Amino acid sequence: GQNIDQPTEMTATEGAIVQINCTYQTSGFNGLFWYQQHAGEAPTFLSYNVLDGLEEKGRFSSFLSRSKGYSYLLLKELQMKDSASYLCAVSPTSNDYKLSFGAGTTVTVRA
Amino acid sequence: DVKVTQSSRYLVKRTGEKVFLECVQDMDHENMFWYRQDPGLGLRLIYFSYDVKMKEKGDIPEGYSVSREKKERFSLILESASTNQTSMYLCASSFILLDRGPNNEQFFGPGTRLTVL
Repeated sequence: GQNIDQPTEMTATEGAIVQINCTYQTSGFNGLFWYQQHAGEAPTFLSYNVLDGLEEKGRFSSFLSRSKGYSYLLLKELQMKDSASYLCAVSPTSNDYKLSFGAGTTVTVRA
Repeated sequence: DVKVTQSSRYLVKRTGEKVFLECVQDMDHENMFWYRQDPGLGLRLIYFSYDVKMKEKGDIPEGYSVSREKKERFSLILESASTNQTSMYLCASSFILLDRGPNNEQFFGPGTRLTVL
């Protein structure tokens, strides 16, 4: 089975940094996705990690440790528009196209 | 830009009605998926299809069926809607071959919020 855990909610101040953790226990592992979903909208792709380490993309970075079954999404210089739900999803194998999603972390950015 | 569209943003139906949710993608993706999203439960896969007329059950297929007659279109059918099928329904699509894209990223439609009374 697949077990993907992430915190339910986080609150941070505009301009601050927030780290959203995701731990997974899955029957296979090919890579890990992070998606952003604003309320009432479709999830949109943020990042994809296959190898261990940190991938930086502007204000957002994503980290993966395959041996620990752990990832985090780092949001820097928070802006009000970053208030959204952030979904962690695991791709089990390279030829299995289904993704297993965590329940999502709702981030609220306050002025 | 990849575009995935869904036939309705909001839908209200009565218990026992047959409900059709339509999804269309314009990027020639082989894979198409139907999810439902509920608070605290995240996205759960109902069905997916990797080719025309092909389908596989996801994690929660009970009470649903699907149809894929054309590559770009994937329909979700609730044969007899029940109140516990009130939810947000999301369609997604992706490539089947890794050499056609950097990963098996899924592209999502805007969602249909279905209320069954």
